[in-house]
Amino acid sequence: SAVISQKPSRDICQRGTSLTIQCQVDSQVTMMFWYRQQPGQSLTLIATANQGSEATYESGFVIDKFPISRPNLTFSTLTVSNMSPEDSSIYLCSARDATDTQYFGPGTRLTVL
Amino acid sequence: KNQVEQSPQSLIILEGKNCTLQCNYTVSPFSNLRWYKQDTGRGPVSLTIMTFSENTKSNRRYTATLDADTKQSSLHITASQLSDSASYICVVNCVEYGNKLVFGAGTILRVKS
Repeated sequence: SAVISQKPSRDICQRGTSLTIQCQVDSQVTMMFWYRQQPGQSLTLIATANQGSEATYESGFVIDKFPISRPNLTFSTLTVSNMSPEDSSIYLCSARDATDTQYFGPGTRLTVL
Repeated sequence: KNQVEQSPQSLIILEGKNCTLQCNYTVSPFSNLRWYKQDTGRGPVSLTIMTFSENTKSNRRYTATLDADTKQSSLHITASQLSDSASYICVVNCVEYGNKLVFGAGTILRVKS
């Protein structure tokens, strides 16, 4: 199984600033994803992080707002840019391995003032 | 309209009792259906994965069933423990959407002593 760690675990930020969230997987995975989860809501896929190329974004999410990097198979970052209070949420990193099992990180709880 | 509907929204049971959570989906075709457990403040953890040809899958005190004809799944928890208090999320892996996961809103289970 894969263990996913995220940094930071939580942060409080001022509007207009940016925050970069790091995600590290402890084993080889085939795919990595970023999700957002509003309190009491289900998970919403932001994008699929592609190794060495631009991420694939879902409808409603754009690269300028959520730039994503994945320089190797086990590491990815998500930046939340020019933040507003509406960006307050939990951001989860996820990875899928060769057995098609999908794992999730503990999440980063972001509060934007 | 959400393609994965879960019921009930929330449930309170006494420690030691059994309970069954329901999941109805309209996602089609799908490759597999998953149940996840999400503790408060943590990322989802996989409980079971069933392909469309499987009817039942067990993981310790958790037993998931799947009826692909009626597009229904259930998660049965036996001899509940206080640590079972969490959100239980039904997730369908949608072939049409490039094997992306479609999440239900979850059932919040509270086990009390």
